[in-house]
Amino acid sequence: AQSVSQHNHHVILSEAASLELGCNYSYGGTVNLFWYVQYPGQHLQLLLKYFSGDPLVKGIKGFEAEFIKSKFSFNLRKPSVQWSDTAEYFCAVNGPSDYKLSFGAGTTVTVRA
Amino acid sequence: GAVVSQHPSWVICKSGTSVKIECRSLDFQATTMFWYRQFPKQSLMLMATSNEGSKATYEQGVEKDKFLINHASLTLSTLTVTSAHPEDSSFYICSALRTGTGQPQHFGDGTRLSIL
Repeated sequence: AQSVSQHNHHVILSEAASLELGCNYSYGGTVNLFWYVQYPGQHLQLLLKYFSGDPLVKGIKGFEAEFIKSKFSFNLRKPSVQWSDTAEYFCAVNGPSDYKLSFGAGTTVTVRA
Repeated sequence: GAVVSQHPSWVICKSGTSVKIECRSLDFQATTMFWYRQFPKQSLMLMATSNEGSKATYEQGVEKDKFLINHASLTLSTLTVTSAHPEDSSFYICSALRTGTGQPQHFGDGTRLSIL
């Protein structure tokens, strides 16, 4: 069975600070990896995804994530956050032929102006 | 594109009532939809996979007689919480896979269900 671990429950930072959210997964084979964001009162939106190829993935809104296979990790980064990045961030994984997603517990990011 | 609509967004009802939640893909066809449940400050837990024209596949521990899923068309899946009780109060979220292209899943806004 797949499991996903997000290290931080709540992160508070100031505008222009750099952000890194940790995500580790447990899965015995090839994985697809996702980061979703949920802004207050809105639905989950896809930030970025990794299926194969370049392990450094660039997503929307200036986010990127790096897949490190040896560490079973897929950490999310943004060099300089804005107040509008305040949201809940979820890491998720599934297998190559299994669309069912396993989600991490989520990280609440609060950016102070 | 890839808009998923859930209705209602919030429902409050008495214990023992059955509640139906709709999930629609507005601008694409979705052979497969998923239903999740999210408790406060917790992650999304997959309840079931809904496949158009066939029976839903439920995750372990999810009562199929309690949570009835119907996926009668390529754009609509419904989740009916039968004889709801306070412990069924939660945030229910659906997602849809675009037919033909597959991933990623597109999520609805969720339905907050409160059982009194």
